[in-house]
Amino acid sequence: AQTVTQSQPEMSVQEAETVTLSCTYDTSESDYYLFWYKQPPSRQMILVIRQEAYKQQNATENRFSVNFQKAAKSFSLKISDSQLGDAAMYFCAYPHGADGLTFGKGTHLIIQP
Amino acid sequence: DGGITQSPKYLFRKEGQNVTLSCEQNLNHDAMYWYRQDPGQGLRLIYYSQIVNDFQKGDIAEGYSVSREKKESFPLTVTSAQKNPTAFYLCASSVTTGQINYGYTFGSGTRLTVV
Repeated sequence: AQTVTQSQPEMSVQEAETVTLSCTYDTSESDYYLFWYKQPPSRQMILVIRQEAYKQQNATENRFSVNFQKAAKSFSLKISDSQLGDAAMYFCAYPHGADGLTFGKGTHLIIQP
Repeated sequence: DGGITQSPKYLFRKEGQNVTLSCEQNLNHDAMYWYRQDPGQGLRLIYYSQIVNDFQKGDIAEGYSVSREKKESFPLTVTSAQKNPTAFYLCASSVTTGQINYGYTFGSGTRLTVV
């Protein structure tokens, strides 16, 4: 069974600084996707970024980028130029096609002004 | 705008009572899901449905039931057999075409509290 591990329950960063959230996963598949979701205090789940495992290039969405290390089964999220609106829970997730997502337990990101 | 609507936003259940959480989507997605979120536990899959009139148990299905009579609707019933139902419940939908997964869309959730 696939598992997703986020080892940082909470992270804190100064506004405008860069922070990296860690995620490791376990799978026997060779082709798959990985997601990072953001859950702000409103509790709405928002897709931040998606990585396709067969692509060598790391995904980037504006200030958000990933460091995808397939051999190490590592999928970290880097947030550059942190803003107060980035404060939220961040979840790493592994999709099983149409069978649902396996989530990590989340990292609570605090932005210090 | 297309999206997922969950209702109600807050729900209170008495001991021994069944309650039903509503989830409606207008995204034309085939697959729909129910997740439960507890503090420090992340999100856990309760039930999912890939097509109308078919659904499968997720990791924590005991004490819950679902139906999928229409593509747009996937209601979740929390039965009296669920001993610890206080949690935040999220509904989601997804579309997967061939090997491409376009991600999952979530509703805004229902907070269920036992009183």
